[in-house]
Amino acid sequence: QVQLVESGGGVVQPGRSLRLSCAASGFTFSSSGMHWVRQAPGKGLEWVAVIWSDGSNENYADSVKGRFTISRDNSRKTLYLQMNSLTAEDTAVYYCARDLGGRPFDVWGQGTVVTVSS
Amino acid sequence: EIVLTQSPGTLSLSVGERATLSCRASQSVSSSYFAWYQQKPGQAPRLLIYGASSRATDIPDRFSGSGSGTDFTLTISRLEPEDFAVYYCQQYRSSPWTFGQGTKLEIK
Repeated sequence: QVQLVESGGGVVQPGRSLRLSCAASGFTFSSSGMHWVRQAPGKGLEWVAVIWSDGSNENYADSVKGRFTISRDNSRKTLYLQMNSLTAEDTAVYYCARDLGGRPFDVWGQGTVVTVSS
Repeated sequence: EIVLTQSPGTLSLSVGERATLSCRASQSVSSSYFAWYQQKPGQAPRLLIYGASSRATDIPDRFSGSGSGTDFTLTISRLEPEDFAVYYCQQYRSSPWTFGQGTKLEIK
């Protein structure tokens, strides 16, 4: 079945780094654009980053530009989010989501929790 | 950036009633690139409506979407107990993809 499974979340100190992963199954990963969306505790959804299906293009929210890097390994069917220089404002549940090109986010992972705290 | 503003922030209704949720965009959005999501506590969002009015797979027909330009509406014709959740609108025409702040639909 179509599935996305995030991992890599945890508690990290301010200024440190963390890498999230999102493993895809049940669909042609290499044909799908992929996004990261986050949700701070008690807050709404915030789009974070997108990567094209072939990895040729990326785009970021202003709030993470220059600190976060989205990447993918189509041979491993895995999406990544490298997060550097983390601050308390990055504390959130991070979801990966599928985008079949100009389409809504039709498949979401269950989310992984990132807590930035000293 | 297209800012989406949802109203009301909270909607209190009873099972069987009709719910009308609104989303207003700061600039015109092609209806082809407008969606609604439902999120229950502890769960990921679920796609309900795309293209402003098309129901996603397995979404009951009591959910309907309408609108164009800057004003969009999600209607739930007769509320079921499982419909009480938070609802988000989204535009996916261009970066940055943006969501509304959400409408919480609670049981009265």
